[in-house]
Amino acid sequence: GQNIDQPTEMTATEGAIVQINCTYQTSGFNGLFWYQQHAGEAPTFLSYNVLDGLEEKGRFSSFLSRSKGYSYLLLKELQMKDSASYLCAVRLSGGSYIPTFGRGTSLIVHP
Amino acid sequence: DAGVIQSPRHEVTEMGQEVTLRCKPISGHNSLFWYRQTMMRGLELLIYFNNNVPIDDSGMPEDRFSAKMPNASFSTLKIQPSEPRDSAVYFCASSSPGGSRMDTQYFGPGTRLTVL
Repeated sequence: GQNIDQPTEMTATEGAIVQINCTYQTSGFNGLFWYQQHAGEAPTFLSYNVLDGLEEKGRFSSFLSRSKGYSYLLLKELQMKDSASYLCAVRLSGGSYIPTFGRGTSLIVHP
Repeated sequence: DAGVIQSPRHEVTEMGQEVTLRCKPISGHNSLFWYRQTMMRGLELLIYFNNNVPIDDSGMPEDRFSAKMPNASFSTLKIQPSEPRDSAVYFCASSSPGGSRMDTQYFGPGTRLTVL
């Protein structure tokens, strides 16, 4: 089965670095997504990891360790507009490839 | 591309009334998903279509909920009769064929439903 855990809320200072963790317990893992969701808006795709390692995309990076069932999203040079909820979603191999979403981590960036 | 389009954006109705939510997926995407999001339960998958055919409706709460996809460019989610506990934001998402990075889901703006 799937059990995706993320911290409920985090706070950080503008200009700093923050790491949002996601752990999962799943059989047949086949990829992990990170989505950003601003209040009142739709989730938008940030990153996708299927192999171990770090994927860097501008100020955002995502890391995956399949053996540990662990991923993190790293946000550098935080800006006020990064205040949002960050959703981790895990996909199983076989079947429908539909990802299951975690509850999300609400990030608050303050001056 | 206009992205996934949903209507209405907001819906307020009274308990017992029928509610119909609409979705137009991104052109060329052959998978469509309906999600419900609440503070208590997060983002939950309700139903998934592939090539207009319902594949997995195990997330549909009960018989009051039904979904259709009559063609590749339109889907509806209907609640009849509606209840206050159905109040949530309903998202539609679409994706292109699975098995690769290209099956990333793209979400519509959502419909905020309030049942009084």
